[in-house]
Amino acid sequence: QAVVTQEPSLTVSPGGTVTLTCGSSTGAVTSGHYSYWFQQKPGQAPTTLIFDTRKKHSWTPARFSGSLVGGKAALTLSGARPEDEADYYCLLSYSSARPVFGGGTKLTVL
Amino acid sequence: QIQVVQSGPEVKKPGTSVKVSCKASAFTFSNSAMQWVRQARGQRLEWIGWIVLGSGKTEYAQKFEERVTLTRDVSTGTSYMELRNLRSEDTAIYYCAADKGGFDVWGQGTMVIVSS
Repeated sequence: QAVVTQEPSLTVSPGGTVTLTCGSSTGAVTSGHYSYWFQQKPGQAPTTLIFDTRKKHSWTPARFSGSLVGGKAALTLSGARPEDEADYYCLLSYSSARPVFGGGTKLTVL
Repeated sequence: QIQVVQSGPEVKKPGTSVKVSCKASAFTFSNSAMQWVRQARGQRLEWIGWIVLGSGKTEYAQKFEERVTLTRDVSTGTSYMELRNLRSEDTAIYYCAADKGGFDVWGQGTMVIVSS
């Protein structure tokens, strides 16, 4: 099974911009991985922010965007707010149809 | 607006089975799937498997494929995850997520505790 890696923790200032990344042990992440990004706040179920690399749900705040950067999937938060402090998980789909989660990034807004 | 409601918490003994249910409202089975994910306390999310709700086709993570079965009841719009031969390491919150292509809406989670 592939290993999906994320930064364990990141800090961003209120109003600042931060990029979280998601890499794969099998090589470059491409659009074919249909990458997903989830937000999870303490004690809550996850919510899906991004799917298929860059698509947003109707509830996804405009300040979040998905992309591919340097062979990795990326989630960029522009204009961070205190309520964005959470754990963020990526998920990559593989040709085996068995997707794999990353280890998560704890984002602090400070 | 899709809503997903899961069954309540469970306490099970090692070696037994648990069956978690997940009901999605305002959600058509056609062109849809139900994803199942779990999370042990303080740990990462872990994908268990998915079921295509129209056909009943399933796909499981290799780690679980010998112990888990996903099913669905078209008449009630309910999906089920059964995990057998429980061990203490299976203690976790189990989530389902209604998927119309975007892992759309998650359930509130079901706590499963495995303890002797």
